Amino acid sequence: SAVISQKPSRDICQRGTSLTIQCQVDSQVTMMFWYRQQPGQSLTLIATANQGSEATYESGFVIDKFPISRPNLTFSTLTVSNLSPEDSSIYLCSVAQGNEKLFFGSGTQLSVL
Amino acid sequence: KQEVTQIPAALSVPEGENLVLNCSFTDSAIYNLQWFRQDPGKGLTSLLLIQSSQREQTSGRLNASLDKSSGRSTLYIAASQPGDSATYLCAVARGNKLVFGAGTILRVKS
Repeated sequence: SAVISQKPSRDICQRGTSLTIQCQVDSQVTMMFWYRQQPGQSLTLIATANQGSEATYESGFVIDKFPISRPNLTFSTLTVSNLSPEDSSIYLCSVAQGNEKLFFGSGTQLSVL
Repeated sequence: KQEVTQIPAALSVPEGENLVLNCSFTDSAIYNLQWFRQDPGKGLTSLLLIQSSQREQTSGRLNASLDKSSGRSTLYIAASQPGDSATYLCAVARGNKLVFGAGTILRVKS
């Protein structure tokens, strides 16, 4: 199974600033996924990050707000830009391996004041 | 649009009880269904994955069933323990994309 290191684990940010979340995997993976979990709600896919190409964003999510980098097969970053209190959520990265099981990082708890 | 519903939203049981968590989905054209456990500050852990052609999967005290035609899955936990306390999420896959339910918060009292 893949081991995923995600950081920071939590942060408190001011309105209007940005936060960059890092995700490091211990093996090479083709696709990495970024999810958002708003308070009391389920996980929603933000985008799929492929190495060497632009990320694919889901409906309701745009690159200007959630820019993603994928410089190699083991690393990705998600930036949440121009923060507002509505961005307060848990953000998780994940990868698929083998029989399509998904493995998740430990998540980043973001609070925006 | 696929929608996933989990019932109950929360459940509290005494230690040792057997229990069933329910998951339903609206579009039966799924690739697989997964059950996850979510612990605060620890992300999600995959418990069981059922391919669309399968009817059930077992791992230890956990058994998950899948009825694609009726759009339902159940997660059965035998002889529950306080360490089972967590949020349990089901997710259905179509291709590489997962659609998650809102989860069932389980508390097992000692």
